[in-house]
Amino acid sequence: AQSVTQLGSHVSVSEGALVLLRCNYSSSVPPYLFWYVQYPNQGLQLLLKYTTGATLVKGINGFEAEFKKSETSFHLTKPSAHMSDAAEYFCAVSETGGFKTIFGAGTRLFVKA
Amino acid sequence: DAGVIQSPRHEVTEMGQEVTLRCKPISGHDYLFWYRQTMMRGLELLIYFNNNVPIDDSGMPEDRFSAKMPNASFSTLKIQPSEPRDSAVYFCASRGTSANTGELFFGEGSRLTVL
Repeated sequence: AQSVTQLGSHVSVSEGALVLLRCNYSSSVPPYLFWYVQYPNQGLQLLLKYTTGATLVKGINGFEAEFKKSETSFHLTKPSAHMSDAAEYFCAVSETGGFKTIFGAGTRLFVKA
Repeated sequence: DAGVIQSPRHEVTEMGQEVTLRCKPISGHDYLFWYRQTMMRGLELLIYFNNNVPIDDSGMPEDRFSAKMPNASFSTLKIQPSEPRDSAVYFCASRGTSANTGELFFGEGSRLTVL
């Protein structure tokens, strides 16, 4: 069975500081991995995804994530936080070719001026 | 292109009443998913359809919940009778299979409050 663990339900950073949101997954087969962002009163939207190939993937709004198979991790980073990055971020996993996506509990990012 | 469309955006009802949530997926998408989001349990997959056929309903909490997809452009999630613990945001999402990369496209959600 697949599962996703996001470390830290809340992360607070200063504007301009590095953003690091942690995600570890469990999957018995090669996974597809995703980060989604949710702004208040909105649905989730895709930030970036890893399927195959290059393990460092770049997404929208300057975010990137690195798939590390040996660590079963897919941490999300952004070099410099912006106020508009304040939102909830969800890591998700689905099996290759599978159609069931499992989400982590989410990490709420706060950005201080 | 229009995204996933859900209605109503907000519903307030009394315990025992029937609730029907509606979803129109993105045209051409052949998978449709219903998720429930609460503070306590996060995002839970309730059920998903492929080509209008329910594939996995193991996440449906109890018999009070039912979901249908009568055609490729419409799905409903019904709760009868509703209870206060059903209060949550219900999301519909769709995806296609041609790219097979797993990305889900979400609607804006239906916020349900059961008094």
